[in-house]
Amino acid sequence: KAGVTQTPRYLIKTRGQQVTLSCSPISGHRSVSWYQQTPGQGLQFLFEYFSETQRNKGNFPGRFSGRQFSNSRSEMNVSTLELGDSALYLCASSFSRSGFPGKETQYFGPGTRLLVL
Amino acid sequence: AQKITQTQPGMFVQEKEAVTLDCTYDTSDPSYGLFWYKQPSSGEMIFLIYQGSYDQQNATEGRYSLNFQKARKSANLVISASQLGDSAMYFCAMRESNQAGTALIFGKGTTLSVSS
Repeated sequence: KAGVTQTPRYLIKTRGQQVTLSCSPISGHRSVSWYQQTPGQGLQFLFEYFSETQRNKGNFPGRFSGRQFSNSRSEMNVSTLELGDSALYLCASSFSRSGFPGKETQYFGPGTRLLVL
Repeated sequence: AQKITQTQPGMFVQEKEAVTLDCTYDTSDPSYGLFWYKQPSSGEMIFLIYQGSYDQQNATEGRYSLNFQKARKSANLVISASQLGDSAMYFCAMRESNQAGTALIFGKGTTLSVSS
């Protein structure tokens, strides 16, 4: 079974631009979560999508947004990029059965490294 | 307050030795799950092991085992017989039952260096 894929793997943008990152989950997985990883803040949860609906959201400004398509693929968008948005953006998918998701394992993609100049 | 604390920024171990990576957590939820992930320099997070708060036994997966001490709120990862390929960043993470969805709260991580 193919793993989680993310495109592009590397991206260089300038301040003020916007960027769209893509994530394809493992086949059959319905939940996609996004994380931002920086040396200073570590891994921080951005948001989660399940059945095309945002199920949970972290503490990030509105410049960060996402969506999920009917095939479970997800995109995240960052508008008006700032230098501090330079990070590794990780996408994770899980099957997410209904009910308590406590034991659901998230499987991560290789990430997109974004550099904002 | 931090929910997941990993106090060891870096650990060094020789090949074939065992190593313990510390993780303490903070939650008032009686039902929660604890996860360990490995992140090599390539960036991808690799799932290693899971421990549920109600699991009676400590989790084991091959060379990985979890020393789960619920009363102390600690979930230390034990890697037996270290290999050079174990050199990576290791993250402890938690999910509480009272949260929506499957999001994980991560610690800051521990860098493990294995030498020959």
